[in-house]
Amino acid sequence: GAVVSQHPSWVICKSGTSVKIECRSLDFQATTMFWYRQFPKQSLMLMATSNEGSKATYEQGVEKDKFLINHASLTLSTLTVTSAHPEDSSFYICSARAGGRIDSNYGYTFGSGTRLTVV
Amino acid sequence: KQEVTQIPAALSVPEGENLVLNCSFTDSAIYNLQWFRQDPGKGLTSLLLIQSSQREQTSGRLNASLDKSSGRSTLYIAASQPGDSATYLCAVSMYSGGGADGLTFGKGTHLIIQP
Repeated sequence: GAVVSQHPSWVICKSGTSVKIECRSLDFQATTMFWYRQFPKQSLMLMATSNEGSKATYEQGVEKDKFLINHASLTLSTLTVTSAHPEDSSFYICSARAGGRIDSNYGYTFGSGTRLTVV
Repeated sequence: KQEVTQIPAALSVPEGENLVLNCSFTDSAIYNLQWFRQDPGKGLTSLLLIQSSQREQTSGRLNASLDKSSGRSTLYIAASQPGDSATYLCAVSMYSGGGADGLTFGKGTHLIIQP
């Protein structure tokens, strides 16, 4: 089945530094990947849609200069949290859908998530 | 804007009971609906995917139904076990002519099965 690998699983960083999170589709090509954020006791909120070879599409209220997304290949998307602050501490999770076509019968597969703590 | 609501927010029942988790969405023009399981501090495990043209899907002790016109879905868990304890999330995707759309999630139902 479709597998999405996400690294790191957890990271602690100092305020003001940048953190990069990787999301890889292991056994399928993903022209589109999605990045979500989940605060404690809240549901997942879509942050941005990552498109291979083009600029990401950000949801309203998400700062594109703070959350840099790069989708350089069909199997890799990265999210970089720049100049991290304590309020950026959250659970970040990526997903992709195998098949890529709008009529794909595959659902979304999620990575295992990254717990970011900014101190 | 699509909104997804899940009821109940939390549920605690003895082992062996059959359960029904509810999900409703405001915009019925969905492409598909997916149920996930999330364990504490972990990622999401896909349980069932229902395309908009389908009415139900089954996997083992799980059965999910979809009534697209009324904006509702239910997840039925038969003969619950302590290992079923987790947060269950309902999510929908919308059709966009440009391609795949991100998911809109409900807040989840936190389920505890007592041994």
